[in-house]
Amino acid sequence: DGGITQSPKYLFRKEGQNVTLSCEQNLNHDAMYWYRQDPGQGLRLIYYSQIVNDFQKGDIAEGYSVSREKKESFPLTVTSAQKNPTAFYLCASSTGLAGVETQYFGPGTRLLVL
Amino acid sequence: AQKVTQAQTEISVVEKEDVTLDCVYETRDTTYYLFWYKQPPSGELVFLIRRNSFDEQNEISGRYSWNFQKSTSSFNFTITASQVVDSAVYFCALSEAGTGGFKTIFGAGTRLFVKA
Repeated sequence: DGGITQSPKYLFRKEGQNVTLSCEQNLNHDAMYWYRQDPGQGLRLIYYSQIVNDFQKGDIAEGYSVSREKKESFPLTVTSAQKNPTAFYLCASSTGLAGVETQYFGPGTRLLVL
Repeated sequence: AQKVTQAQTEISVVEKEDVTLDCVYETRDTTYYLFWYKQPPSGELVFLIRRNSFDEQNEISGRYSWNFQKSTSSFNFTITASQVVDSAVYFCALSEAGTGGFKTIFGAGTRLFVKA
């Protein structure tokens, strides 16, 4: 079945540690996105990518990094510079132009700081 | 500035009641897109509808209907004869694709409780 997978479902980070969240899609979508969701709030864009080897910062990119080496994959690294990383992270993808076409979401990864 | 307001933080209804979720947006662009997503307790956002700014036709899909009014910058969502399975957080979103890249803004969401 076509879809977006995110792993792990839960992730624990220690102080000063970098962690990487996985996002894979088999929908043949060009654009991919990472959002952060805090309790009781809407989604905020961290990074997005319209094509392989290209990505753009969103509204809250500080403390995060991404790569887009393959069309299917868009991993997000939460670095030690991100001082408040506890949140729910959602990956999405869409055909065509980012922001115009419908975004389809993965199941999310919940990141907790130990 | 781009903005999406979902003034209703939480709504509680009894099964079979109709319920309307409000969404008011602000944008300076003439071309934009509006979306509604459902987030059940599992966490994954489920796409419900996409509407572009040039199409003001209301839409009905089963028990769901949407009322888009540019004059009031609103894109409201109505669930008819609500069911317990409708309990979720619903997000309205506004998206523009400009020369500076794209921007999608999500509202804060409305949590809907449907009681049996």
